[in-house]
Amino acid sequence: DTAVSQTPKYLVTQMGNDKSIKCEQNLGHDTMYWYKQDSKKFLKIMFSYNNKELIINETVPNRFSPKSPDKAHLNLHINSLELGDSAVYFCASSQVPEETQYFGPGTRLLVL
Amino acid sequence: ELKVEQNPLFLSMQEGKNYTIYCNYSTTSDRLYWYRQDPGKSLESLFVLLSNGAVKQEGRLMASLDTKARLSTLHITAAVHDLSATYFCAVDRNSGYALNFGKGTSLLVTP
Repeated sequence: DTAVSQTPKYLVTQMGNDKSIKCEQNLGHDTMYWYKQDSKKFLKIMFSYNNKELIINETVPNRFSPKSPDKAHLNLHINSLELGDSAVYFCASSQVPEETQYFGPGTRLLVL
Repeated sequence: ELKVEQNPLFLSMQEGKNYTIYCNYSTTSDRLYWYRQDPGKSLESLFVLLSNGAVKQEGRLMASLDTKARLSTLHITAAVHDLSATYFCAVDRNSGYALNFGKGTSLLVTP
């Protein structure tokens, strides 16, 4: 019944590794997002997709590559992980861009 | 660039008291959102304010929007411990595909 789900919830990995985070929404929304929340709780948009099309890429290093196989899924792949990538990554979705964004539970990434 | 400023960033208040959190933003936008985040949890939508003069209330929380002043307020009435959380305001960019968040207000309600 979870509206926006993410896997995994926790991710601990070594520098230089590659990892993926998956997001799925069952709300029938057209738009999906990735946000990063740093250790000071600051939230910043990374990417947004509408109907599988990339709309916003917020000057994120190209080590981060989002992929939307269909409207209900938006995955995030991260290559060559760095210490500074440690954060909480939230997926969100909305019916249209202007409507309320519903957030997933977050993925807590720790890079050692 | 759209900037969103909240104040205060930290707020400790006694149960039963009233207080207001302020959210200022730097460029024109007609859509403003308030979210709540409990420690280690996700963001929960509280209010969506879509026009100048919009006011919404839920329980002890009331939010308002003044688009001319580029200001939103979140007023807390007779605070209770359960309201302890971090509150974020977020402003929709004109492009409509991203929210710019304030830094959040960490609220602690004490007996």
